Amino acid sequence: DSGVTQTPKHLITATGQRVTLRCSPRSGDLSVYWYQQSLDQGLQFLIHYYNGEERAKGNILERFSAQQFPDLHSELNLSSLELGDSALYFCASSVGGVWTGWYEQYFGPGTRLTVT
Amino acid sequence: AQTVTQSQPEMSVQEAETVTLSCTYDTSESNYYLFWYKQPPSRQMILVIRQEAYKQQNATENRFSVNFQKAAKSFSLKISDSQLGDTAMYFCAFMKLTGNTPLVFGKGTRLSVIA
Repeated sequence: DSGVTQTPKHLITATGQRVTLRCSPRSGDLSVYWYQQSLDQGLQFLIHYYNGEERAKGNILERFSAQQFPDLHSELNLSSLELGDSALYFCASSVGGVWTGWYEQYFGPGTRLTVT
Repeated sequence: AQTVTQSQPEMSVQEAETVTLSCTYDTSESNYYLFWYKQPPSRQMILVIRQEAYKQQNATENRFSVNFQKAAKSFSLKISDSQLGDTAMYFCAFMKLTGNTPLVFGKGTRLSVIA
C-alpha cells in the first residue's frame, strides 16, 4: 500500500458525460501528479499540482481539468467523454519541493474509466 | 522533450534464469534520473530501481540491477534468479534533475516468467 488513495476504483459511463476522479496523497506530500494509461498511448503525464498550485501540464485535453484543494486532495474532471478516454488514471504524490533533488512518486491504485 | 523507448514489447524467461530488459532514451539534459517501474496484474505501479545520471556506478537492488550507459543513452534492467512474482509489465522512466518534475515513461515490456 503506497498510502495514496484514489476513488472510485472503477467507473463506467456513457459518451458525452462528465466524471470526477479523486485522489488523496500520502500524509505530508504536497505534490500530486495525474497520469493516464491507455493501451495505445502508454503512460502519459497529464498535470501536476504543488501545494494547491498548477505546476506543469502535459498532454491534457481541454475537456479535462484538475485542481488541488487546501487539504491537498486533488480531483481530475473529465467532461464530454469520448470512447478514447477509456483508460486507467493514476494519481501519484511526492513530498515535492522547489529545489533540485529527487522525490519518489508514490502511485495510487488507479481509477479504471470505461466510456461506452 | 525527452523520449523513452523500450524496443521489446514482450519477453519471457524461465524461472531462476536471468533476463535483461532494454531501454533507450533521448534527452539534451546532462543530469537526470532513470527508473524502472513494475506493474503486476494488480495494476499497482511499483518502483523497482533508480539511477542518478551523475553516478557512474550502476544501481542494484537485490536481484535487480541496471546497466547504465550514459553516452549511449541506454538503461537496461537485469533480473537475476527470475521468480514467478516477477511476471509484470516493466516501464522505463526518465525524470529531469530539477526537483518535482513528472515522469516520462516508455511503452513498457511485458515479462512472463515461466515455471
